[in-house]
Amino acid sequence: GAVVSQHPSRVICKSGTSVKIECRSLDFQATTMFWYRQFPKQSLMLMATSNEGSKATYEQGVEKDKFLINHASLTLSTLTVTSAHPEDSSFYICSAPGGAGYNEQFFGPGTRLTVL
Amino acid sequence: AQRVTQPEKLLSVFKGAPVELKCNYSYSGSPELFWYVQYSRQRLQLLLRHISRESIKGFTADLNKGETSFHLKKPFAQEEDSAMYYCARVGRGAQKLVFGQGTRLTINP
Repeated sequence: GAVVSQHPSRVICKSGTSVKIECRSLDFQATTMFWYRQFPKQSLMLMATSNEGSKATYEQGVEKDKFLINHASLTLSTLTVTSAHPEDSSFYICSAPGGAGYNEQFFGPGTRLTVL
Repeated sequence: AQRVTQPEKLLSVFKGAPVELKCNYSYSGSPELFWYVQYSRQRLQLLLRHISRESIKGFTADLNKGETSFHLKKPFAQEEDSAMYYCARVGRGAQKLVFGQGTRLTINP
């Protein structure tokens, strides 16, 4: 199946700094990618839809100035957590749709962000 | 809103016993439903989708429109089935997935 990678796998940063997380589709092109957030022992919450060549679409309640998304190419989307605070600490997961028209999503391994 | 509900956060069964993970969805004419699984220290991956009516790793799931359910079943659980299971549906807008809360399945030896 298709492979999605994320980098870094984990990051620790100080409060007030910005952190960039990369999501790459390794062997297929993705005009759309999705960013999720997962709190401990909770389900995935969709944050935004990343669209290649256009602005990201954010879910209700997600601050677009806080979570900047850039879909630079058909294989790369980045999520930048700006001025991170401890409450932004979470597990961030990206996915990209693939497969033969069945809306299957391929998930990255996730990035653990810890803001001190 | 298009919702997916998994009423059980935790489910524990013995090896060899039947297992059923429940999933209900809010009514929608023709929902597209999936089961995703996350094994320990691994990424989320697709287990099966209703549209293909397949059996994967002994698991099956039947869409019941009358009950708006898509329960995941396996007749004989194995220890390697222990994982986190998420029911999901395609949300508004193409390809967006809406996830249920997840059920942690533990198979006891």
